[in-house]
Amino acid sequence: DTAVSQTPKYLVTQMGNDKSIKCEQNLGHDTMYWYKQDSKKFLKIMFSYNNKELIINETVPNRFSPKSPDKAHLNLHINSLELGDSAVYFCASSSRGSAYEQYFGPGTRLTVT
Amino acid sequence: SQKIEQNSEALNIQEGKTATLTCNYTNYSPAYLQWYRQDPGRGPVFLLLIRENEKEKRKERLKVTFDTTLKQSLFHITASQPADSATYLCALVYSSASKIIFGSGTRLSIRP
Repeated sequence: DTAVSQTPKYLVTQMGNDKSIKCEQNLGHDTMYWYKQDSKKFLKIMFSYNNKELIINETVPNRFSPKSPDKAHLNLHINSLELGDSAVYFCASSSRGSAYEQYFGPGTRLTVT
Repeated sequence: SQKIEQNSEALNIQEGKTATLTCNYTNYSPAYLQWYRQDPGRGPVFLLLIRENEKEKRKERLKVTFDTTLKQSLFHITASQPADSATYLCALVYSSASKIIFGSGTRLSIRP
């Protein structure tokens, strides 16, 4: 059973396009996150949602918009893609009851050409 | 602004020795300090966490210490094995996960 799943695993697209990455967790967690890991492997949080409510919204371009249709899903939509958006994007989930230990998805490698 | 630093980008040690990784931070102590392992091409995997009011936690061959005066956490792997080779990340989690900061990681290599 996959705990945190993301689709697609790889995404290659051209500048200016709009794309979405989907994330689902089956752990019953109440908090979900999106992270960006750049080429230097630095992992930076972008968004955090608790029970469908936005908790963390770090300084990211407003071309990035998270959408949480329910507690088990947190999708990431990106408009007008730029070369600098190329990175690996990780979804994660956690529960307040377990001190926010996070379970990460396998990542989506986005390449913008 | 809050900063977090892991002592070295890479650490190479002999199998069987104890690996010690360091995580330093500035300003405010987090509610939780977490350690993760990341293998190439995969997402981070949670290993251990320690709370602000705790000094030390252990889990099998792993030990974490937390010194809020020094603003430092040490992560130890005893009796290291080549399978322990990976990148290790520390993360600061502030109250109610209102802020989460990851370190840049230490790439640990255990040679046979």
